[in-house]
Amino acid sequence: NAGVTQTPKFRVLKTGQSMTLLCAQDMNHEYMYWYRQDPGMGLRLIHYSVGEGTTAKGEVPDGYNVSRLKKQNFLLGLESAAPSQTSVYFCASSSRDRGPAFGYTFGSGTRLTVV
Amino acid sequence: QQQVKQSPQSLIVQKGGISIINCAYENTAFDYFPWYQQFPGKGPALLIAIRPDVSEKKEGRFTISFNKSAKQFSLHIMDSQPGDSATYFCAANTGRRALTFGSGTRLQVQP
Repeated sequence: NAGVTQTPKFRVLKTGQSMTLLCAQDMNHEYMYWYRQDPGMGLRLIHYSVGEGTTAKGEVPDGYNVSRLKKQNFLLGLESAAPSQTSVYFCASSSRDRGPAFGYTFGSGTRLTVV
Repeated sequence: QQQVKQSPQSLIVQKGGISIINCAYENTAFDYFPWYQQFPGKGPALLIAIRPDVSEKKEGRFTISFNKSAKQFSLHIMDSQPGDSATYFCAANTGRRALTFGSGTRLQVQP
């Protein structure tokens, strides 16, 4: 019962470097999301996916790309990291069924520092 | 443009007291209003949620009050305990859209 697993948990990048954050869920959820959390700004949606092979932009998509080649995985890429991308990144998933138990399951986060 | 505004940013309550966190929304199409609780180093976890057809929902010491006409909803934590110390986020969405979160409230319950 792993739920949502994010790797890595911590990473330090130099400006201009690239990296990929991996999110994996084992709950057979259709929807997956990437949020970033910054002090005083709550959780802001970067990109999301409503199914395998589909992605869409959220509130703050610039500088990020995503892919969902398999239903259980959602990848977030930074092509050329900038200090403004220093943040804690959270992946979440949810079922398409919005029944009484509907809610997001979040991973434990990736703390990224860009120097 | 912040569609869900949350206040206060931080809150200190004595053990046994009542913690109250408020949120206001703009989009009248929102039809689902959850609250999430986040402990340091962890991801947020669903605490309690309400839909606009009811004015109040209670689960143990946690209660959501919902005022549709004022477009406001609030979280009340009764008999607050040190273990409730965490960051709380309100959120809202409609249909199959992604949740929009408030800015968060850091709650400290002093023993």
